[in-house]
Formats: sequence, structure tokens, C-alpha cells
Amino acid sequence: QSALTQPASMSGSPGQSITISCTGTSSDIGSYNLVTWYQQHPGQAPKVIIYEVNKRPSGVSDRFSGSKSGNTASLTISGLQAEDEADYHCCSFAGTTTYVLFGGGTKLTVL
Amino acid sequence: QLQLQESGPRLVKTSETLSLTCTVSGGSISSNSYQWGWIRQPPGKGLEWIGSIYYTGRTYDKSSLYYTPSLKSRVTISVSRSTNQFSLRVNSVTAADTAVYFCARHVRSSGEFHFWGQGILVSVSS
Repeated sequence: QSALTQPASMSGSPGQSITISCTGTSSDIGSYNLVTWYQQHPGQAPKVIIYEVNKRPSGVSDRFSGSKSGNTASLTISGLQAEDEADYHCCSFAGTTTYVLFGGGTKLTVL
Repeated sequence: QLQLQESGPRLVKTSETLSLTCTVSGGSISSNSYQWGWIRQPPGKGLEWIGSIYYTGRTYDKSSLYYTPSLKSRVTISVSRSTNQFSLRVNSVTAADTAVYFCARHVRSSGEFHFWGQGILVSVSS
């Protein structure tokens, strides 16, 4: 099964809002409310910022929010800050055969 | 606080076997509430889940193992309760297997990896 589809890169200015999409199929995103979003800074391990589509772990800024419609999940970052410049990866449970799928990652640049 | 640490050779020859170990501290690998997985990231690319295992309370069986279909024929994941470690083996490696390999703990039947090792870069070269 193919990886989930994300835009390779996006950019925004400080204070703006951006939305990163993650498109799957009816076998993964469309079937389960088990979408996770990760933030990864260079040289570091990924960190969970959204789980179960729209839940935030303790300590994660409320500027990060998640949603899902059909086979597409979205991550919205509001009030962009310089520290948000990072790679963002989506991930979905995909059933007992494929199990876990990641997106290709989106490199976010804060201008 | 749960911590994970990858270890193993950083250079592997083409067609040989890549072997990595993840040592878990600050928590037991025997908990069946979580799964223990391997993820890799080729230089400059996205994340790829390799496989996961959970400890069933007895010698692990095939029902506790999950592998990504594209690597299933070359990958083996195992767990050692006595050493609180789990391991990855990838057979017949090529340059395409060059990547940073992460071990991580995740919620069962999900893609929620909340605890990660720092990652280890493994290069495959002839």
C-alpha cells in the first residue's frame, strides 16, 4: 500500500495560519479515527503533536489543531512562529494487514 | 520517564544482514498495552514504518508481530523480556536500506508513537 500523500513543502509568514493536508484511502484514514501528526526538527526524533485526529498531548500548543474529512486529514497551525519551522509527518492506522502508514512529510518554512 | 536507545553497527555491507537492538529503560517491555516498533527514515526523506511487536505474556507468537508488506520477506523483529530489549534484523540489504533507524513505543493498533529513541544512522555500502 502506498504512503499517505502530503505536500512536499509549504511556507508562511509569522502570524499567518497554514493547513497541511494528508490524503489516504478508505482503507486507512477513511476507516479509522487514528490519525497522528508528528513534528520533527532537524537531527531529532519526531514528536506527537496531534493524535486520534484532533487530540493534543499535554504541553503541545493549542495553535496546533487537527481534523479529518473522508480520506483526508489536515493539520492547521495558527499564528505561525519561527519555532514552527520543521518537518511534519502524518500517520494513520491502516488495518491488520498494512497496519501503519506514514505520509511523505511536509517541510514547513516560516518566512 | 521511559527511554529507548538504539545500538548496532553503523555500516553494513551490501547483501549482508542489518541487526539493531533497542534497549528500553524506565519501563517494562512486558506490558501488553503497548507495541514496540521500528521506523526508518532515509536521508532527506519521510518516515517508513517497518514493523511492530508486543509481548503476549509468553513466548511471542506470530499473532503479536506486524510488518510492513514491502519489507516483510526480509525483516524479523524479536523481543527479550530478560534484557528489556527488542531487536530488528533486515536481510539482504542494499543501498536503499541506508537510513536513520528509530525504535519507538506506540499505542496498540495505532500509529501513535509517543516515545522514540534518538535514532541511529545505518549506511549500506559495498
